Order: sequence, then structure tokens, then C-alpha cells
Amino acid sequence: QQQVKQSPQSLIVQKGGISIINCAYENTAFDYFPWYQQFPGKGPALLIAIRPDVSEKKEGRFTISFNKSAKQFSLHIMDSQPGDSATYFCAASRDTGFQKLVFGTGTRLLVSP
Amino acid sequence: KAGVTQTPRYLIKTRGQQVTLSCSPISGHRSVSWYQQTPGQGLQFLFEYFSETQRNKGNFPGRFSGRQFSNSRSEMNVSTLELGDSALYLCASSFNRGGFADTQYFGPGTRLTVL
Repeated sequence: QQQVKQSPQSLIVQKGGISIINCAYENTAFDYFPWYQQFPGKGPALLIAIRPDVSEKKEGRFTISFNKSAKQFSLHIMDSQPGDSATYFCAASRDTGFQKLVFGTGTRLLVSP
Repeated sequence: KAGVTQTPRYLIKTRGQQVTLSCSPISGHRSVSWYQQTPGQGLQFLFEYFSETQRNKGNFPGRFSGRQFSNSRSEMNVSTLELGDSALYLCASSFNRGGFADTQYFGPGTRLTVL
């Protein structure tokens, strides 16, 4: 019930292309869904987050699409750049005072020049 | 504003030893969470502290413990180290305004290697 499944495990996209990473969750009590970006040697950094009251959220080139009935959410990176090459993690938590994130397994993105 | 800092950045220990890792949260943040990151298990929640109290604990053995001080700085301790404890240990802080999930800001981590 606590699991978040993420796919694909790795992704290669050409510069200027669209990168799409998908996540699915089981626990319907989850109501906060952030995406984190991690570069080698660094800690994860929040990219964008969504709550289930909206189906889409866009910040610059990054968009989260959320499907509550399917219990799925995805990250779209438009106009992907080599600097976007990193590992991306989806996560989920309950919208309570407790700060406990359940993470997906990660997607290693490589944007080729 | 300075980010989350973790010390030391790298640590090598042998089996059976114990280790203490330190985390200084962003100024004003009251919640500190700890995560273990390994290639096999990914990012897993260890525990969270708020106002010097452990509020939440992940599914880890009792060898893993932590504490938080009055200035919100936190330490985690692992006793009787095992080879499988080799991992990147990440600390995250959040302001935690209460009642809902807040953005967690991660430090760079402490890379622990157990030989």
C-alpha cells in the first residue's frame, strides 16, 4: 500500500525532445505528489509538485499530469536539454503534518546533444 | 539562506562499529527527516523529527536511531554496522507549517561505506 512504481528505469531523449516519466501509486490516502531531480553527488532537489485537486500543473518546461481515478501521475519535460540529464524521482505522501515521502525507484534521463 | 548541511560527507567504517551522522537544517526549519539511498532499495524513509520529538519512523531495525536538538540540528546513529548499511544517508528539512506536507529540502548526503 505504500509503494510508488516508476517507469522507465532509464530514458534517452534527443535535445529538444519531450521526456516523459510515469508513476503509479497504490495508497489512495496519498495527496501530495512531488518530483525530485538529482545530479550525481548531490541531494534530490524539488522540481515541481501537485495535489489531486488539479489534473495538471506547469512550471516552465516541466509539467505534471495527474489522473486520480487511475492513480497515476507523470512528468513531462518539454524541449529537453543536456543540462536536464539527471535522475528523476517521483514521490508521494499524505498531506498531513508528518514529513514522510515514499519515493519511486528513479529514472535516469540522458539528453543527447 | 544557507542550505541543508551534512557532516561528514564521506565515512568509512568496519562491521560492528557505530557511526553518528549530523545534519543542520535550513534556518527556521523545524522538521528534519532522514532517508537512506541505495542502488538496490532506492530512497527509503528512516525517521522524522520535529521539535526534538520523533514523529514518524520507517521500517528499519532498532540499530538506526536519531535525535534532534533544540536548535533543530539532528543526528542519526547506526550501531553495530553491517555491510548492507553502506549507503548515501540524506537529511531533509522543511518548515512544516502544520497540517499539510511541506517542501522538503535535501542536503548533499553522507556517503557511508562499511567494510
